Amino acid sequence: GQQVMQIPQYQHVQEGEDFTTYCNSSTTLSNIQWYKQRPGGHPVFLIQLVKSGEVKKQKRLTFQFGEAKKNSSLHITATQTTDVGTYFCAENTGNQFYFGTGTSLTVIP
Amino acid sequence: NAGVTQTPKFQVLKTGQSMTLQCAQDMNHEYMSWYRQDPGMGLRLIHYSVGAGITDQGEVPNGYNVSRSTTEDFPLRLLSAAPSQTSVYFCATGKGPGYEQYFGPGTRLTVT
Repeated sequence: GQQVMQIPQYQHVQEGEDFTTYCNSSTTLSNIQWYKQRPGGHPVFLIQLVKSGEVKKQKRLTFQFGEAKKNSSLHITATQTTDVGTYFCAENTGNQFYFGTGTSLTVIP
Repeated sequence: NAGVTQTPKFQVLKTGQSMTLQCAQDMNHEYMSWYRQDPGMGLRLIHYSVGAGITDQGEVPNGYNVSRSTTEDFPLRLLSAAPSQTSVYFCATGKGPGYEQYFGPGTRLTVT
């Protein structure tokens, strides 16, 4: 099946620092979705990117889809303690979803 | 609206026992799916359904059965539990596979 690699696996930042997680695929993706999972919770949809080179922003979060549609990134500016959790990318091929392994973000106050 | 509900929240099974994890949604979504989440491995698709009466295998279907007799319900059956099936199980629904997915709260299963 498709494989989406996500890095880094873990990231510890001081509150106020920036954070970025990356997803990479060896094949062209039709679209990519991003989810956030708080500790002990369930994944919650953040955004979907469809177009080559697309950039979307949600307050302090910036999502990008690569020009070749083989990679994507999520950047958080000036992290806050409420940003703690695991961020997953997911790609949809046909009727199936393939999730990245996730990046666990810890924010140190 | 309850959204996506899963029962039970926690379950402990002995090896060889069978059980059914329940998933129900009141969002009138056609697409429903089951995932397992293990440390360091993200979410892996077990089975999915694109509508009532239609099911198909995902990435890790062995040891699990599903059925979809109604739009609302998508139960996951463990036929003969094994310790390797210890995991957190999430049900998810969406208008379709290309749309945002709504996840249930999860079932934490331990097989001893």
